[in-house]
Parts: sequence; C-alpha cells; structure tokens
Amino acid sequence: AQSVTQLDSQVPVFEEAPVELRCNYSSSVSVYLFWYVQYPNQGLQLLLKYLSGSTLVESINGFEAEFNKSQTSFHLRKPSVHISDTAEYFCAVTGMDSSYKLIFGSGTRLLVRP
Amino acid sequence: DTGVSQNPRHKITKRGQNVTFRCDPISEHNRLYWYRQTLGQGPEFLTYFQNEAQLEKSRLLSDRFSAERPKGSFSTLEIQRTEQGDSAMYLCAVKPGQTYEQYFGPGTRLTVT
Repeated sequence: AQSVTQLDSQVPVFEEAPVELRCNYSSSVSVYLFWYVQYPNQGLQLLLKYLSGSTLVESINGFEAEFNKSQTSFHLRKPSVHISDTAEYFCAVTGMDSSYKLIFGSGTRLLVRP
Repeated sequence: DTGVSQNPRHKITKRGQNVTFRCDPISEHNRLYWYRQTLGQGPEFLTYFQNEAQLEKSRLLSDRFSAERPKGSFSTLEIQRTEQGDSAMYLCAVKPGQTYEQYFGPGTRLTVT
C-alpha cells in the first residue's frame, strides 16, 4: 500500500518569490509520482510526472519537481510565482501494480499575494 | 484527446433520495476511475473499470453505491438512500493505455440536505 504526506496545508507567498511545496510518500513497491493542480471550481489538471529517468522533471509553466528515492520525497518548486499560480496542489503516487489507482495527499493551498 | 465530461456538475438532493452521476470520456480509454473528494482533502479512490469489467472497489464504496460501465465507454455512479456524509465532489478519470497518469473530468458536486 502507498501513502502520501503533504505537511503544509497552506503556503502563502508574495508574487515573484520562490516557493517549495513538500511531498513525502511511503510505499513497499516502486512508484510513479505526480503533481496535480486544482483551480477554484475546476477539476484536477496534471502538472508533471515522474516515471523513470532523470529525477528532475519540469512543467511547461515553470514548475519543477525532483524525485529523491532515499528521502522518499517529490517536492515541487518554482523560482518565481505569479498571482495566477494560486490554487490547490496535490501530490499523488501510484504503485507499479495492476490497478494504477492514484493515492493523493491532502493538498497544499498555494496563496500568492501581490 | 483525453477530455472527460461529467454530468450533472452540481446536484442537491434530500437525505434518503437516490442520485446518479454520469462520466463521458471523449475518446475510448480502457481504464476509467471514480474518486471522491471531500472539502479540504485529496481525492480518494472508489473504483475502477477495465473496459466494462469493474476490477476493484474501495472499502469506501458501501453497498449503497453502485457503478457501471455497460459498453466500456461512459460510466455511471449511483448512490442509493443518500446520507449527509455522501456530500462530496465525485471525480471521474481516464488512463490512456500506454501511460500511467490519469486525466480528470470537472467533477459532480453532491450536496445532501
């Protein structure tokens, strides 16, 4: 079984400042890792994913996440945030089993202030 | 195209009534998943289908819940004798065959009064 911990329920940050959203997971098997973003009154959108290969993965809008197997972490970072990045961010994991169901963390609300 | 539509977007019902939600993937995908998201929490897995076969059900899916995918395309989720604790966002997602990520619909927000 897998579990995901997002310790920060809310992260307030000023516009153009850097941000890190933390995600730790536990699993007895190898996993694939994802970050999803949810804007108000919208569904979940895939932000980025780690499947294999380079441990640093990037999204098209400037976010990046680094897979750290020894620390079982997949933290999300952005060097300079915009007001439009205000949203709920969910870290998710799926084990390499047959169902590929997603196990989500409880989410981190990123609040970008001007 | 990995688009998914869900209907209705919002549903308000009285305790004890039955409700049914529908999920329509734009294109065919073998795998279809249902999740439930309560306020302030991440989505929780409910069940999934491989084509028309329902292969796994979470313990969250009590006997008041039933899901179908009769032709391997759209899916329905029915809740019988709704309770206030069923109030949540119900999300549908598809997993394209050769990938591991899932793509979500906008969800159906259920409010039980």
